[in-house]
Amino acid sequence: GENVEQHPSTLSVQEGDSAVIKCTYSDSASNYFPWYKQELGKGPQLIIDIRSNVGEKKDQRIAVTLNKTAKHFSLHITETQPEDSAVYFCAARGSARQLTFGSGTQLTVLP
Amino acid sequence: DAGVIQSPRHEVTEMGQEVTLRCKPISGHDYLFWYRQTMMRGLELLIYFNNNVPIDDSGMPEDRFSAKMPNASFSTLKIQPSEPRDSAVYFCASRGDSEAFFGQGTRLTVV
Repeated sequence: GENVEQHPSTLSVQEGDSAVIKCTYSDSASNYFPWYKQELGKGPQLIIDIRSNVGEKKDQRIAVTLNKTAKHFSLHITETQPEDSAVYFCAARGSARQLTFGSGTQLTVLP
Repeated sequence: DAGVIQSPRHEVTEMGQEVTLRCKPISGHDYLFWYRQTMMRGLELLIYFNNNVPIDDSGMPEDRFSAKMPNASFSTLKIQPSEPRDSAVYFCASRGDSEAFFGQGTRLTVV
């Protein structure tokens, strides 16, 4: 089955700096890659996703890149703000049709 | 739509008792997923349904766990008998064509 690895597990940045979180996947048939943000005491919330037919997608301060050849994708957050502090999960959906999640990254934005 | 609705939000029960978690998916979504989240194992898929039919229950840890979806607007996850190691946050998620949306979760504590 699919295996998703996520790095780093924790990330601290100064407010205004950029944050990058990276994931790799194993199933070459995977074609959908969402990113979720989970705040304390809440369920994961979809923030951006990308499909295998594009290499990059951007939504305001958030962007995701996908390299299908290398089987890795990344989340980029620019001009970070304290409210960006949360746990971020990457996921991949492949031939099994359900999402497999990475282990999560605790992002802390220092004021 | 109010999103995916789970109840109860918190449940504390004694070891050996039966626990039932409930989920109302987003109207029109034909996939429903049950996940368990712990610090040690992250987000684990327990079971998912498509059009009310269980498709993959390979993530269900033991026979003590069972899930049903009697109609398109309701699903339950039952643990009988419960054990302290079942303590976790249980999430329900639903999706239509692509994005999966999560509920707020049920925090289960078995003492």
